[in-house]
Order: sequence, then C-alpha cells, then structure tokens
Amino acid sequence: GDSVTQMEGPVTLSEEACLTINCTYTATGYPSLFWYVQYPGEGLQLLLKATKADDKGSNKGFEATYRKETTSFHLEKGSVQVSDSAVYFCALSDDSGNTPLVFGKGTRLSVIA
Amino acid sequence: EAGVTQSPTHLIKTRGQQATLRCSPISGHTSVYWYQQALGLGLQFLLWYDEGEERNRGNFPPRFSGRQFPNYSSELNVNALELEDSALYLCASSYRGHGYTFGSGTRLTVV
Repeated sequence: GDSVTQMEGPVTLSEEACLTINCTYTATGYPSLFWYVQYPGEGLQLLLKATKADDKGSNKGFEATYRKETTSFHLEKGSVQVSDSAVYFCALSDDSGNTPLVFGKGTRLSVIA
Repeated sequence: EAGVTQSPTHLIKTRGQQATLRCSPISGHTSVYWYQQALGLGLQFLLWYDEGEERNRGNFPPRFSGRQFPNYSSELNVNALELEDSALYLCASSYRGHGYTFGSGTRLTVV
C-alpha cells in the first residue's frame, strides 16, 4: 500500500537557520502530496501541497517540490523563526479519492532564539 | 465559512466507560475521517465515513466504532475504555478526497 517516510526528529535549530525535512513516498499512480503543520495544542493545518510532478508548493516561506524521479517532497525554509516550532507531517492522497490521507510519523521542530 | 468543528474539546473518562466524540464537517463535504494521535506518536487512521457509509477502517479493535448522520456529521464511540486510549482524536472532512480539512481535535484522557 501507499506509504510516507519522513525524517525522524526532533530537529532543533537556531533562529534564521535553514531547514530541510526529508519526505519520501511510495505510491502507485500519481498521488497528491501535502505538508501539514501542528502547532502545540492544536489540530493540523495544511501548510502546502503539490498535485503533480515538478509542482512547487509554497506558503509562509516554506517550499516543497514534487520530485517523481526521486519520489520525494522535502520541506525547506531558508530562515526559520521561533514561531515555526511545531510538528510537521508529510502526507499523500492517491489520485482516486477513494482512500484516506496517508501520513508520515511527523517531525518535531524546535527553533531557539 | 465554518471549519470542521469537534466536541467536546476535552473529555475525561474512567477506564471501562464509553466515550462519544462528535464532528461536524465543512458545509458541502460528504466524507469524514477519524484519526488517533497518541502522545509522541503520529496519526493513526481510525475510520472513514462517506455518504453515511463506513468506507474504510484502520487497524483498531471493534470497540472503536462510529456513524455518519444524514447531515454528514459524525460520531466516534469508544467502548470499554482503556488507559492507552488516551489521545488526541482528530476529525477531518473532504469532498471526494479533496479539500481535506482538520478540526482542532478532542483530547480524551482515560483515568
């Protein structure tokens, strides 16, 4: 079945450092890919998405590019802030719409001033 | 437009009791998904309802059950509560797998 693997955390960075959280997937067909963020004590919010190969999703300074050749969707940000501290989840949905979102295990990011 | 709403926000139950959690989807969304997020763990898929029918079920025992009402809202029931059922339960809604939106969750504590 479809699966998502993302780097294990926790990740601790200083403010203004560069961030990369790796995400790779296994899926048949042409899935859509997502990054969700969960701030402390809250539910999940969609951060960005990409629906086809070579698409780049971006939001709030975060970016991720759908790489079909490497089955990857790494999350990047050039300069993190303390307010970016959260848990980040990579997820995929297949192109049929007949299965629920499949999530990675999440990566906890802590940004220190 | 109202988002996905879940109630209650927090719920404390005693081991062996039953818990009922509720979810109202975004207007126009016909699918509701339930996920369990235990402390320190990722999201575990529980149940998926669409158009009133159970479409898929995760690897959970039968004491986790639910239903979807004609207005597409949903209820998750957990019977014979165990301590390890303590978790954040998240509900999401979509229309035919598109526009997935999550609620803020119900924090269930079993003592």
